[in-house]
Amino acid sequence: EAGVVQSPRYKIIEKKQPVAFWCNPISGHNTLYWYLQNLGQGPELLIRYENEEAVDDSQLPKDRFSAERLKGVDSTLKIQPAELGDSAVYLCASSLGGQGVYNEQFFGPGTRLTVL
Amino acid sequence: TQLLEQSPQFLSIQEGENLTVYCNSSSVFSSLQWYRQEPGEGPVLLVTVVTGGEVKKLKRLTFQFGDARKDSSLHITAAQPGDTGLYLCAGAPVDDYKLSFGAGTTVTVRA
Repeated sequence: EAGVVQSPRYKIIEKKQPVAFWCNPISGHNTLYWYLQNLGQGPELLIRYENEEAVDDSQLPKDRFSAERLKGVDSTLKIQPAELGDSAVYLCASSLGGQGVYNEQFFGPGTRLTVL
Repeated sequence: TQLLEQSPQFLSIQEGENLTVYCNSSSVFSSLQWYRQEPGEGPVLLVTVVTGGEVKKLKRLTFQFGDARKDSSLHITAAQPGDTGLYLCAGAPVDDYKLSFGAGTTVTVRA
């Protein structure tokens, strides 16, 4: 069974340019998460989807970040315009869904973004 | 301020030695998970502990959940170079579904 797929794996852009990341979760997983991970730190949640609904986007910087999961399957995270401080690894994760005790999440390999 | 504090931040040991990584909080968690992350990859779930005092073993790895469900430890016996990686603990507080991650412990096992 395929895991969480992310693309691209690496992206280098100049500041003020737009960038988009794509994620395809594990088949059957209703919940999808986007995380940001800075070097030497743990992942920090940006947004969480239950099917196509964004149920928690409180940590998403909405002035420049946007996300969508139109059909409740794959998802896109966009930054426009990118800033130097956005350089990080963007991780996508998925889980079966709900707010159960276990909340076990499966992560993709991430997209490493470098903003010059 | 991190909800989960991990220690030590870095750990470098020789192959064959034992090591312990700690994850502490003042909050009570409904469950706590341990992940290992290798460079250029996403975190991979190792174990989930749910019951206070629970001990789980995964080959040479032993995970313990504190009696009060506020802390956890990961012990590796006879470490091997393949154990090298960033070890992350993550927990969902009892009053919040959201999974919070610690900053991680970078473990290096030298051959």
